[in-house]
Amino acid sequence: DAMVIQNPRYQVTQFGKPVTLSCSQTLNHNVMYWYQQKSSQAPKLLFHYYDKDFNNEADTPDNFQSRRPNTSFCFLDIRSPGLGDAAMYLCATSKEGDRAHEKLFFGSGTQLSVL
Amino acid sequence: GQNIDQPTEMTATEGAIVQINCTYQTSGFNGLFWYQQHAGEAPTFLSYNVLDGLEEKGRFSSFLSRSKGYSYLLLKELQMKDSASYLCAVTDSNYQLIWGAGTKLIIKP
Repeated sequence: DAMVIQNPRYQVTQFGKPVTLSCSQTLNHNVMYWYQQKSSQAPKLLFHYYDKDFNNEADTPDNFQSRRPNTSFCFLDIRSPGLGDAAMYLCATSKEGDRAHEKLFFGSGTQLSVL
Repeated sequence: GQNIDQPTEMTATEGAIVQINCTYQTSGFNGLFWYQQHAGEAPTFLSYNVLDGLEEKGRFSSFLSRSKGYSYLLLKELQMKDSASYLCAVTDSNYQLIWGAGTKLIIKP
């Protein structure tokens, strides 16, 4: 089945130790998104790619970086995780990027803990 | 600022009907989504409204009134598996997707 896959499902890292979260998709969608979601809060958009065009949200901290080497894969790098970065990280895709009416397809998420 | 308001939590009984409300204040409007999110899992798409009125899809229906900045999600014949958070999201005039914090729905037997 075509889908969005995130690995790992749970990630534990140490304060200040770089960590990379990965996402792959078999939907062949043009657009990929990274969201951060803390408990009982709305998802917060960090980045999105339209094909290889990278779009950084204005309030995304510099500590967060992203890479999309090809259509199928996208990575979220957290250079120096702090305690406040503990959250669920959600990868999502959409077909054409017309967010007015396109639904998002989400991966299962990576729950990041920072010790 | 842009804002989406939903109740934080609701409780309902198995087999009953529940209505989850969402009000929004955004710079323009290009559509409203409802997503379901089970605890510890990713959101899944439920419905999309761009015109006023009711959209029915099985046990779930979604209503929109653009003039009132208001939507609701109606869940009928509630089942235990419907226990989840329900997120309302609106696309504004800049095609930014603005999310609500979600309504946690608790179903009791």
